[in-house]
Amino acid sequence: DAMVIQNPRYQVTQFGKPVTLSCSQTLNHNVMYWYQQKSSQAPKLLFHYYDKDFNNEADTPDNFQSRRPNTSFCFLDIRSPGLGDAAMYLCATRTWGLGKQFFGPGTRLTVL
Amino acid sequence: ELKVEQNPLFLSMQEGKNYTIYCNYSTTSDRLYWYRQDPGKSLESLFVLLSNGAVKQEGRLMASLDTKARLSTLHITAAVHDLSATYFCAVDHLAGANSKLTFGKGITLSVRP
Repeated sequence: DAMVIQNPRYQVTQFGKPVTLSCSQTLNHNVMYWYQQKSSQAPKLLFHYYDKDFNNEADTPDNFQSRRPNTSFCFLDIRSPGLGDAAMYLCATRTWGLGKQFFGPGTRLTVL
Repeated sequence: ELKVEQNPLFLSMQEGKNYTIYCNYSTTSDRLYWYRQDPGKSLESLFVLLSNGAVKQEGRLMASLDTKARLSTLHITAAVHDLSATYFCAVDHLAGANSKLTFGKGITLSVRP
């Protein structure tokens, strides 16, 4: 089945140690999103790609970067994780002309 | 700035009874989505409402959209324990490449016997 895959599902890192989360999709969707969701809160959009065009939300910290080397893959890099970055990170995709977003299973990040 | 409000934020439901939860938003849009989230899990798409007067039903859940009132309702018929989860509505208010969702804070439903 076509789907959105996130790896790893659980990631533990140390304060200040860079970490990369990955997302891949077999849906061939041209839009990919990264969200941060903290406990008992709504998902918060960090950035999104429309094809290779990168769109950063104004309040996304510089500590968060993203790469999209091709249509199928998108990466979230956290350069120096702080305790406040512990959250669930959700990747989603959407195809042009269809509003619905398809979410991956998420990566739970713990910062020690 | 688009604001999406959901109420109530928490609802304790009795099994077998009917309930309605609400989602209202501040800017014109005709695209609204309902998602379900179980604890520790990702978001599962429930309904896509793309026009004024749209009504969608799946099992015990029925969602509708009134774009003039900027209001969506999610009606629960004869609540069962399996419906316990957090329900988010999200509004898509920009067209084309910049399209993105603004989520409400979510409503946590708990069904008790």
